[in-house]
Amino acid sequence: DGGITQSPKYLFRKEGQNVTLSCEQNLNHDAMYWYRQDPGQGLRLIYYSQIVNDFQKGDIAEGYSVSREKKESFPLTVTSAQKNPTAFYLCASSITGTGNQPQHFGDGTRLSIL
Amino acid sequence: AQSVTQLDSQVPVFEEAPVELRCNYSSSVSVYLFWYVQYPNQGLQLLLKYLSGSTLVKGINGFEAEFNKSQTSFHLRKPSVHISDTAEYFCAVRPYNTDKLIFGTGTRLQVFP
Repeated sequence: DGGITQSPKYLFRKEGQNVTLSCEQNLNHDAMYWYRQDPGQGLRLIYYSQIVNDFQKGDIAEGYSVSREKKESFPLTVTSAQKNPTAFYLCASSITGTGNQPQHFGDGTRLSIL
Repeated sequence: AQSVTQLDSQVPVFEEAPVELRCNYSSSVSVYLFWYVQYPNQGLQLLLKYLSGSTLVKGINGFEAEFNKSQTSFHLRKPSVHISDTAEYFCAVRPYNTDKLIFGTGTRLQVFP
C-alpha cells in the first residue's frame, strides 16, 4: 500500500539536543510538507518542498531545518534553538505543489522534552 | 491574507442525531476547500473537498458539505452520527495562487451513546 511513514511515533529530546524526525513517502508525490500541531491551534506550516534539493520556509520555520535530497524523503530536524519543541509533528505530501490536489498525511511524531 | 475560522471548538451530540460543524473563511482570491478528520494520535484523513461545480459535495463516512460563496462558508454536516465519528475535524482552504493549506483551529466532535 502507498502512503507516508513517519518515525519514530514518540520522541524525547534533552535540553540542547538536536533531533531528527523521519518522513518517507512512496506515493511518488512531488511536494512534501511539515506541520506542527498544538492543542487548540490547528496545524501550522514549518517547511515545504516542491522539488528535490529545494524547500521554502513556512510560517514557523525558526528553530527547524529540513533537507530534500531524495523525492521520497523529507526529514525535519528540531534544533536546540527551538525553545518550545513539545508538539505533534505531521508530515504531508501532494501530487504537485500547486493546484487542487489534496495533501496526504502521515500518522505523526509526538515530541516531548525530558 | 487568508484565514479560516471554526467557531466551535467542541460539539457534543448524541448518537443518531444530526450534526453541523461550521467553517468560515476569509480570502481575497478564490480558494479550494477541504475538510479533514483526525482520530486520536493519528494523522489527518481527507473527508471531502470542493474544487468547483456543484456547491454540495459528498465525502466519506456519510458526511457532506455545502459551499456558500456569498457567506464564505463551508459547513460540514451529517444527518445521523455514530460513536465512531468522535474525532477532531479540520477545515482548510488552499488559495489558487499558493501551495499552502491554511487550517482552522479544529472542532472536536464528541458523540455520546
